Amino acid sequence: DAGVIQSPRHEVTEMGQEVTLRCKPISGHDYLFWYRQTMMRGLELLIYFNNNVPIDDSGMPEDRFSAKMPNASFSTLKIQPSEPRDSAVYFCASSFGGATEAFFGQGTRLTVV
Amino acid sequence: KNEVEQSPQNLTAQEGEFITINCSYSVGISALHWLQQHPGGGIVSLFMLSSGKKKHGRLIATINIQEKHSSLHITASHPRDSAVYICAVRFAETSGSRLTFGEGTQLTVNP
Repeated sequence: DAGVIQSPRHEVTEMGQEVTLRCKPISGHDYLFWYRQTMMRGLELLIYFNNNVPIDDSGMPEDRFSAKMPNASFSTLKIQPSEPRDSAVYFCASSFGGATEAFFGQGTRLTVV
Repeated sequence: KNEVEQSPQNLTAQEGEFITINCSYSVGISALHWLQQHPGGGIVSLFMLSSGKKKHGRLIATINIQEKHSSLHITASHPRDSAVYICAVRFAETSGSRLTFGEGTQLTVNP
């Protein structure tokens, strides 16, 4: 398996634009996590899914952020409209079982100017 | 408040030295993870443990549940070990799979 695949690796966008980050989890994994990493706040959990259903979205900063998992092999994190303070590295991770080791993607570095 | 604290924040060592990174947490946990993040940004899970000790190559992770403390040890350190090491815990009182992260320890191993 190629591991968790995220796209794009880098994204630069202007304030106000919509941004969509994509994630393909490891086949067979039933948990998918979206994290955000910034210098100020470190790593934070935004939302996670179990069997494609959102379980905990309490980390989603505000209504501008939304996440979907239409099937077991694909998830998106959307920011609309984007703001400069959304600039961060966004990681997707997946695991088999929520209490087991998680495998991380390479991350998407988002810059909002 | 559920907190995770790591020490030191920064650590510089010479190749071959024995290294220890510490993680303390505030309340009971169900699991603790050690993660490694290389300069390129990718994150790799090193260990997940809830008790005792685990070893993988030159890396050893220990946890003391009573003292709410875990350590990550690197024996015979090498420049390629240079990375940020992050401790993350799943608090027992938190339902589900939410992890709380420490701020990370930046390790630099000089040749």
